[in-house]
Amino acid sequence: QKEVEQNSGPLSVPEGAIASLNCTYSDRGSQSFFWYRQYSGKSPELIMSIYSNGDKEDGRFTAQLNKASQYVSLLIRDSQPSDSATYLCAVHPGGSYIPTFGRGTSLIVHP
Amino acid sequence: ETGVTQSPTHLIKTRGQQVTLRCSSQSGHNTVSWYQQALGQGPQFIFQYYREEENGRGNFPPRFSGLQFPNYSSELNVNALELDDSALYLCASSPETGAANEKLFFGSGTQLSVL
Repeated sequence: QKEVEQNSGPLSVPEGAIASLNCTYSDRGSQSFFWYRQYSGKSPELIMSIYSNGDKEDGRFTAQLNKASQYVSLLIRDSQPSDSATYLCAVHPGGSYIPTFGRGTSLIVHP
Repeated sequence: ETGVTQSPTHLIKTRGQQVTLRCSSQSGHNTVSWYQQALGQGPQFIFQYYREEENGRGNFPPRFSGLQFPNYSSELNVNALELDDSALYLCASSPETGAANEKLFFGSGTQLSVL
């Protein structure tokens, strides 16, 4: 079974700090990786996608992918209380167009 | 907002009943996927519809069924409801299917409670 693992948290960081969220996956053939943000009681919204090894930056967000080690991470710089949410990692296993989601990491940014 | 709309937003049913959930996809999207999200868990794939045909199915029993209509809107039907069916049901649309870089645009979900 193809799995996506995330620490459920909560991860608590002070306002202005860097939040680092990690995700590991089991299928070496995976090609596409996504981070979704989900506020409590709301639906997930896409914030980042990454397909190649290395870093991809978008504003305060940086996605990092290391296929050899089978992990993908999300860094949030200058964390704000409004970033408090659950962050879901989604991975397309090799040969599949259906993403597998992790259980999500709860992030709390305290003032 | 994604432009994906779901109805109803909340629903309470009793065990053994049947339920129908509805989803309108974002304009220009021809693929709709349904997910079940239990409390504290990630979304679990139920099935996907592409141009009115089922295009993939997750590990859910046959009492979970669906439809897609010519306007690409979709329904999820669940028969013989069980207590464990209580969850947030999410509909997601995407502009195409079969693409490894397919991004999902989620609706606001239907919270189903089975008593």
